[in-house]
Amino acid sequence: GESVGLHLPTLSVQEGDNSIINCAYSNSASDYFIWYKQESGKGPQFIIDIRSNMDKRQGQRVTVLLNKTVKHLSLQIAATQPGDSAVYFCAENTQAAGNKLTFGGGTRVLVKP
Amino acid sequence: DTGVSQDPRHKITKRGQNVTFRCDPISEHNRLYWYRQTLGQGPEFLTYFQNEAQLEKSRLLSDRFSAERPKGSFSTLEIQRTEQGDSAMYLCASSPDRGHAFFGQGTRLTVV
Repeated sequence: GESVGLHLPTLSVQEGDNSIINCAYSNSASDYFIWYKQESGKGPQFIIDIRSNMDKRQGQRVTVLLNKTVKHLSLQIAATQPGDSAVYFCAENTQAAGNKLTFGGGTRVLVKP
Repeated sequence: DTGVSQDPRHKITKRGQNVTFRCDPISEHNRLYWYRQTLGQGPEFLTYFQNEAQLEKSRLLSDRFSAERPKGSFSTLEIQRTEQGDSAMYLCASSPDRGHAFFGQGTRLTVV
């Protein structure tokens, strides 16, 4: 079936630098996208979301970009901090799917001091 | 703490035994979800409730798995005759009708 695709690379970033995490999705019917952060031994924690009628949304230190033409989603973290070290997942759903989320495999972010 | 609560946090069981996990969602949320996550992978959808009605079940949910949400509040997930392949983190999440899901801390199951 269609799913959000996200390789599982490890992104090493220097503290204070910006991080960019990418995600490709394949379901053209997806209309809602979410980024979650997961620390070891914990459940996923909501970071930011975006609906398909938008192409950019900003939060505190985070920005999500959505390119529906190429089915691509990215998460930008400004001034990365040690507390940002975690695995990041993008997830997608369609309103017709009752908020059921399809997750990718995650990207590990390691922040070097 | 008004987040999603799961109990127990960890469970070790022998193969063939039955286990039951509990999830208490955020009180005003109508929707409740169960996911399973194995190491290095994203969570996989198992099942979803709208109030007390179980509206969808994944093909991952074999006949040994059953979930209930009898009063539209807390939910239980039972696994009968556990197998080693059931070892995973079981995550519960809840959401309002519109908006993102909030996840609990999960129950880590180890079948030995």
